[in-house]
Amino acid sequence: DTGVSQNPRHKITKRGQNVTFRCDPISEHNRLYWYRQTLGQGPEFLTYFQNEAQLEKSRLLSDRFSAERPKGSFSTLEIQRTEQGDSAMYLCAALGGAGAIYGYTFGSGTRLTVV
Amino acid sequence: GENVEQHPSTLSVQEGDSAVIKCTYSDSASNYFPWYKQELGKGPQLIIDIRSNVGEKKDQRIAVTLNKTAKHFSLHITETQPEDSAVYFCAASEPYNTDKLIFGTGTRLQVFP
Repeated sequence: DTGVSQNPRHKITKRGQNVTFRCDPISEHNRLYWYRQTLGQGPEFLTYFQNEAQLEKSRLLSDRFSAERPKGSFSTLEIQRTEQGDSAMYLCAALGGAGAIYGYTFGSGTRLTVV
Repeated sequence: GENVEQHPSTLSVQEGDSAVIKCTYSDSASNYFPWYKQELGKGPQLIIDIRSNVGEKKDQRIAVTLNKTAKHFSLHITETQPEDSAVYFCAASEPYNTDKLIFGTGTRLQVFP
């Protein structure tokens, strides 16, 4: 249990369809991040929230992408009109911790395959 | 913006040997450098981190060193075990924004029994 739950774990969709992913931090975290990871690469920043407010969006996040975090708890990432280039692992991370290590806690990700 | 390079891309060691992974970053204003371990089918897990006011940090078999002048940092794993096999990512914080990370491309470490 990583402290961050992501659903679904896997999603296969046809090109042109819309998909939505969900991220649930187990405990309260002010900051929540979305990253995208393609095969053989490190995670790339997409966007982040401070409570309900979306404070920054990467240029990777085209108009087809939208993210929300109502009530400052769970978050959703929606991709409209999916393209094959959207195939990737989408990772959610909550920021926080205690003790010697303070940093991101990542969820296990949602692997999206667009066919 | 910040750029992080990581080497090697793959690393194979015998159980019990040491492993070293190196990263360089481009912006001297970065001040936070975490390392993540990613196992198959899982998200990255933070294993150790270092801030720019410290040169070295140890946690049991793992250690991280930072050379701010040269803008590089390294992960050292001693007495490797098969369960250390995974992909390791270094990251650097975006300048003036410690909470936003730029990741390297990863090193696949294989530890053979």
